Amino acid sequence: DVKVTQSSRYLVKRTGEKVFLECVQDMDHENMFWYRQDPGLGLRLIYFSYDVKMKEKGDIPEGYSVSREKKERFSLILESASTNQTSMYLCASALTGVYTGTEAFFGQGTRLTVV
Amino acid sequence: DQQVKQNSPSLSVQEGRISILNCDYTNSMFDYFLWYKKYPAEGPTFLISISSIKDKNEDGRFTVFLNKSAKHLSLHIVPSQPGDSAVYFCAASVKAAGNKLTFGGGTRVLVKP
Repeated sequence: DVKVTQSSRYLVKRTGEKVFLECVQDMDHENMFWYRQDPGLGLRLIYFSYDVKMKEKGDIPEGYSVSREKKERFSLILESASTNQTSMYLCASALTGVYTGTEAFFGQGTRLTVV
Repeated sequence: DQQVKQNSPSLSVQEGRISILNCDYTNSMFDYFLWYKKYPAEGPTFLISISSIKDKNEDGRFTVFLNKSAKHLSLHIVPSQPGDSAVYFCAASVKAAGNKLTFGGGTRVLVKP
């Protein structure tokens, strides 16, 4: 079974803090993603990475950065947390399926509250 | 501008009946479509997918229909069970773009016993 593990289920941070969300996958997937889920907005892509040290902005990258130093690990960084970044954060990984399309596998999510 | 839309935020259905969830998209480049199911405080889990070269895909109680000309897809669950109560997300991707999924806003399904 594919396993995507996020380091924390729940986090409470103060405004202005630097926050690190960690994600590890064990299936040797090339692609990794960070989404946030907000009511009525579905899942919105923050950043994705298709290889080690490679990253691309998603739809809502402002206020976030990422790091991918190893294939299995993809970190999301909130440079200076703000209350509007209170959300459910979801990490996912997927094979590169250029001709077939593949599903992404998600971690259990991190509920981040910024106070 | 939402490229994938689920216009019904919620759906209530009796156990044993059919649940029909709908999804519309605007980007004609999408060529792969997926449905995910999500329980509270858990990550989404993959349910079923369909490639743009097909118009129907079936897996047990779940069937996805794709109407490319209308840019519309639907998920049918027959028969609905109480354990199907969850939020369902429609997603779409362009295969050549690295399986970057674009999601709809979700539909909350409640199956009543």
